Amino acid sequence: ELKVEQNPLFLSMQEGKNYTIYCNYSTTSDRLYWYRQDPGKSLESLFVLLSNGAVKQEGRLMASLDTKARLSTLHITAAVHDLSATYFCAVDIWGGGADGLTFGKGTHLIIQP
Amino acid sequence: DAMVIQNPRYQVTQFGKPVTLSCSQTLNHNVMYWYQQKSSQAPKLLFHYYDKDFNNEADTPDNFQSRRPNTSFCFLDIRSPGLGDAAMYLCATSRTDRVGYQPQHFGDGTRLSIL
Repeated sequence: ELKVEQNPLFLSMQEGKNYTIYCNYSTTSDRLYWYRQDPGKSLESLFVLLSNGAVKQEGRLMASLDTKARLSTLHITAAVHDLSATYFCAVDIWGGGADGLTFGKGTHLIIQP
Repeated sequence: DAMVIQNPRYQVTQFGKPVTLSCSQTLNHNVMYWYQQKSSQAPKLLFHYYDKDFNNEADTPDNFQSRRPNTSFCFLDIRSPGLGDAAMYLCATSRTDRVGYQPQHFGDGTRLSIL
């Protein structure tokens, strides 16, 4: 059974600080996704990481993938309040690209002024 | 804009009364998914359609059924909703092709309440 573990599950930080969210998964996969979810809203795709060593950046967020370690990170640089949300990582269930995603439990991020 | 549309946004039904949630897409994606997300939990895949092929997750209760009459529409039927079925239901689509893999695009969800 595929397991996806995120940590921390809850993170409160101040604006301007840097932090990293970690995502470990239990099966070989070269596809990992990061989504953002605001309260009561749906999921917004942030990054798709498709190969070992992939790094993608968008604004203050940067995601990376190490398929050998089965680890992805989401790094937040100089956090701002607007980044407060829940962040999920997800992995293809069977690695086939169309079989649905298994999500981590999510990291609830609160950024305080 | 091309998108994934779920109706209704909020649905209230009575315990045991069948309910249908709908999803439509203008992305012309060949794969459509239904996820269940309970409060403060991660989304959980219920089933998906790869074109017309239905794929049920092993632990999806028999109470949950789905229909995909054409590429654009997919329905989630809950035959006899119980209190434990109260959740946000998310529809998602994706396209698989040789060029690359696309991320799943999610609709805004339907929040289902059971009285």
